[in-house]
Amino acid sequence: TQLLEQSPQFLSIQEGENLTVYCNSSSVFSSLQWYRQEPGEGPVLLVTVVTGGEVKKLKRLTFQFGDARKDSSLHITAAQTGDTGLYLCAGVRGTDSWGKLQFGAGTQVVVTP
Amino acid sequence: DADVTQTPRNRITKTGKRIMLECSQTKGHDRMYWYRQDPGLGLRLIYYSFDVKDINKGEISDGYSVSRQAQAKFSLSLESAIPNQTALYFCATSDPTAPRTDTQYFGPGTRLTVL
Repeated sequence: TQLLEQSPQFLSIQEGENLTVYCNSSSVFSSLQWYRQEPGEGPVLLVTVVTGGEVKKLKRLTFQFGDARKDSSLHITAAQTGDTGLYLCAGVRGTDSWGKLQFGAGTQVVVTP
Repeated sequence: DADVTQTPRNRITKTGKRIMLECSQTKGHDRMYWYRQDPGLGLRLIYYSFDVKDINKGEISDGYSVSRQAQAKFSLSLESAIPNQTALYFCATSDPTAPRTDTQYFGPGTRLTVL
């Protein structure tokens, strides 16, 4: 069982549409990160959220950390084909004293022209 | 040049063979990690190292061993490869100065197939 559950597992949308990816857990995390992975490459960090209720915006991407620090979401506005990729959430549990990341299984996003 | 490099990028081997995957980094980070990625399971930690003298098991270390030859080099070995070790393997580094938020920098991965 994954400590971090991501939904949906797969998402296919057309360019210009909006999408939201969710990352949920029953555990409290001191921080959550979102990575994007493209074929043939390693994951690349998009954002880190550390405060419950925090909202961060990165151009068309909006990231939110739940008030209880157990969940997070990623919203993409007006998706572009360049947004295609595997989106991974990863967190540091509140009980861990160092940056040991727990990863979700990922959401594969495909944006078609 | 890439900050984190992995060799080889692809490898096909047979059951029972010994395999070594190598990772080098130019980021100057003390912390290095080895993960495997399987479809539907995400990334799972195999081993991690805080510095040259520190090696720790991750959640799925059975069947694997590692060597930290220098700050910049961390290798993963499969002593006797088996088919269920077929996966995508990633090396990563991180800077420990901000543990709650430290970013992990990943290499491009090694695709290993065990027949």
